[in-house]
Amino acid sequence: DVKVTQSSRYLVKRTGEKVFLECVQDMDHENMFWYRQDPGLGLRLIYFSYDVKMKEKGDIPEGYSVSREKKERFSLILESASTNQTSMYLCASSTTGKTQYFGPGTRLLVL
Amino acid sequence: GQQLNQSPQSMFIQEGEDVSMNCTSSSIFNTWLWYKQEPGEGPVLLIALYKAGELTSNGRLTAQFGITRKDSFLNISASIPSDVGIYFCAGPDVTSGTYKYIFGTGTRLKVLA
Repeated sequence: DVKVTQSSRYLVKRTGEKVFLECVQDMDHENMFWYRQDPGLGLRLIYFSYDVKMKEKGDIPEGYSVSREKKERFSLILESASTNQTSMYLCASSTTGKTQYFGPGTRLLVL
Repeated sequence: GQQLNQSPQSMFIQEGEDVSMNCTSSSIFNTWLWYKQEPGEGPVLLIALYKAGELTSNGRLTAQFGITRKDSFLNISASIPSDVGIYFCAGPDVTSGTYKYIFGTGTRLKVLA
């Protein structure tokens, strides 16, 4: 059974804190993605990675960075959390051009 | 970013009824994916389609990859209360030469018992 796991289901952080969200997939997929999902705005791509140590900006990369040191793990970093980064964060992985699988999501609240 | 046109936006149906929703694009797709998302959860893959004309079933769900490669349909037969959620289509954006995926706007389904 395919699996994408995310390190936390719920997180509460304070403004200015550094936040790490981790994602692990067990399908040996080359591509991994971070999205945020907000009511009425759908899924928006923050960053994606098509290989270890490779990354590309998505549609809304400002305020975020990513790290992919191993094929199975993709981390999203909020360098200095702000209240407008309160959102549902979804990780996904895929083989190029094929099925994309999502993790269960992390609901982040920044106070 | 670019989105797929999905309709209807929402549906209220009686338990036991059949449901039909569709997704259209201005460009062709090589893969169509259908997901269901429940509140507070990540999207769960329902059906993946890889070939024009393909018709695939998963229990009470049936999806088709349109012959023009610009549309896809999802049908749910004999709906039950646990079918409630948001259904959305997606596909890899191969025409732009990237690895990105494009998502539909979603169909919100509510089932009345």
